[in-house]
Amino acid sequence: QSVLTQPLSASGAPGQRITLSCSGSSSNIGANSVSWYQQLPEAAPKLLICGNNERPSDVPDRFSGSKSGTSASLAISGLQSEDEADYYCAAWDDRLNGLVFGGGTKLTVL
Amino acid sequence: QVQLEESGGGVVQPGRSLKLTCEISGFTLMNHAMHWVRQAPGKGLEWVAILSYEGSHEKYADSVKGRFTISRDNYKNIVYLQMDGLRVEDTAVYHCAKDRNGVYYYGMEAWGQGTTVTVSS
Repeated sequence: QSVLTQPLSASGAPGQRITLSCSGSSSNIGANSVSWYQQLPEAAPKLLICGNNERPSDVPDRFSGSKSGTSASLAISGLQSEDEADYYCAAWDDRLNGLVFGGGTKLTVL
Repeated sequence: QVQLEESGGGVVQPGRSLKLTCEISGFTLMNHAMHWVRQAPGKGLEWVAILSYEGSHEKYADSVKGRFTISRDNYKNIVYLQMDGLRVEDTAVYHCAKDRNGVYYYGMEAWGQGTTVTVSS
């Protein structure tokens, strides 16, 4: 049981826009910024978003993050086949005094 | 080119110890906090530990607290994870990762490919 809650799976057609959700509490998402990671099959995770909505320079602007209260979202526009991967949210938890991840959402591009 | 390369994994019996090594290149280690993150077979990501740039600020997941120790040698460009009292549930691929920040978590912007630890009798 992960501290941050993500749907197990999501799917979309090429070109579509999809939003992945991440739900937490006042001690993690409510108090600290959220990051998002993409993990392609058999690969190490890659940072997509940090600081709720900051995108590293090597991440396409099709990816965007947002946060409201104790929930966060990752939006992917112009869905491509290479976006098929597992996506994880993460945030520091002040109560646990550690970093917590969501269980991950497996994104399928139809 | 930023690179992180983990080593030291292997098969070990419950209760024994193992020390993982993460050798970095392409960036100045002393400017960044460093993490260890693990992934059990078929499971999601689990954060293990963080150590600040100068080594004064360290935090651990409850699941490893008191058994694992993170350390670093900024001159040798190496980060370590000493794992004592290993349990079957510690079986995972262990990744080291570089934070964008020097002290606190902000985002792990570079990762190694990982080293596999299997704890089994």
